[in-house]
Amino acid sequence: GNSVTQMEGPVTLSEEAFLTINCTYTATGYPSLFWYVQYPGEGLQLLLKATKADDKGSNKGFEATYRKETTSFHLEKGSVQVSDSAVYFCALSYNAGNNRKLIWGLGTSLAVNP
Amino acid sequence: EAGVVQSPRYKIIEKKQPVAFWCNPISGHNTLYWYRQNLGQGPELLIRYENEEAVDDSQLPKDRFSAERLKGVDSTLKIQPAELGDSAVYLCASSLGGQLMGETQYFGPGTRLLVL
Repeated sequence: GNSVTQMEGPVTLSEEAFLTINCTYTATGYPSLFWYVQYPGEGLQLLLKATKADDKGSNKGFEATYRKETTSFHLEKGSVQVSDSAVYFCALSYNAGNNRKLIWGLGTSLAVNP
Repeated sequence: EAGVVQSPRYKIIEKKQPVAFWCNPISGHNTLYWYRQNLGQGPELLIRYENEEAVDDSQLPKDRFSAERLKGVDSTLKIQPAELGDSAVYLCASSLGGQLMGETQYFGPGTRLLVL
């Protein structure tokens, strides 16, 4: 079946460090891929998305490229800030009959120290 | 533009008591979702509405959970009776609708439920 696997946290970085959070997926057909972020005490927010192979989603300095050959959608940022401390969720959207399903990874907690 | 509104933000109840959560989606969004999120995990879909119709309730524990979206706008999710294992954050989300694959879901802040 379809699934999403993201790297376990917590991830702890110093400010201005490079960030990679790995996400790989298993899916039939052509899913859409998302990264959502959940800041402390807040609801989930869409960070970026990609709807077809080789698309690159980007927002707030974060990027992720939809790689069908490696079934991956890794999240990267060149220089993290303390304000990026949050939990990051990778998610996959696919059609199942008449329903559209969204599958979530378990989340990766990121803590950025000054 | 107002986001997804949920109330209450926090609820503490004793087991076997009923509890209800309310959600008002973004204006114009036809699709509404209720999720449950346990600590350290991703959200699990409980039910999805297209307008007033529940089109996916396969994960809703129907013995104690119920939901309604009578006029196709706001929605309530009820648990009766609550059990200890129901302690979680209950998230409401909405989207434009239309079964678009890349469609973005917009989430409310959630209701944190603690069952004692």
